[in-house]
Amino acid sequence: QTVVTQEPSFSVSPGGTVTLTCGLSSGSVSTTYYPSWYQQTPGQAPRTLIYSTNTRSSGVPDRFSGSILGNKAALTITGAQADDESDYYCVLYMGSGIWVFGGGTKLTVL
Amino acid sequence: EVQLVESGGGVVRPGGSLRLSCAASGFTFDDYGMSWVRQVPGKGLEWVSGINWNGGSTGYVDSVKGRFTISRDNAKNSLYLQMNSLRAEDTALYHCARTGNSGYDFDYWGQGTLVTVSS
Repeated sequence: QTVVTQEPSFSVSPGGTVTLTCGLSSGSVSTTYYPSWYQQTPGQAPRTLIYSTNTRSSGVPDRFSGSILGNKAALTITGAQADDESDYYCVLYMGSGIWVFGGGTKLTVL
Repeated sequence: EVQLVESGGGVVRPGGSLRLSCAASGFTFDDYGMSWVRQVPGKGLEWVSGINWNGGSTGYVDSVKGRFTISRDNAKNSLYLQMNSLRAEDTALYHCARTGNSGYDFDYWGQGTLVTVSS
């Protein structure tokens, strides 16, 4: 069974830059998986940040960017702010109408 | 304004059944695929099932195949998830989510309905 991997936790200083990654237990992530990224704060529904690897969703600040880095999808936050402290999830499209989420990364800004 | 409102959650015994509903508004429902995504409180997101715009194509995570059935009624702007043979590990908050225009992401989410499977 396909496992999508994310760092369980990450820490960044205010104003700093952090890159979260999204990989596969077997194989490489490419644009053909159409990686998308979601931000979730406690008690709230997820918010779409990035879709199709690197397209920002409407209203998302340009300090959030998506890319493929090596064999993984990546979400980079440039100039981190206190309210970026959230859980971040990636999801990969596996084809045939199947998606798989990563386990999520808890980002701390301190 | 796009709105997705889930209902139908509750407490059910192992082996029991529930039918979740998601009422959609603010967009042309039959232009979009839809999915159910669940989240155990305090844990991560898990895609459960999806359906295309006309119900002709569906998908399921392996752990629910044969037990859950996704469906939609475009005339009623509604999405459903029939859950049978429920297990303790199905306990979660179930969100409905709209497939985005790219066809490969989820652009709007409901707040979810809680399903608790317990004896």
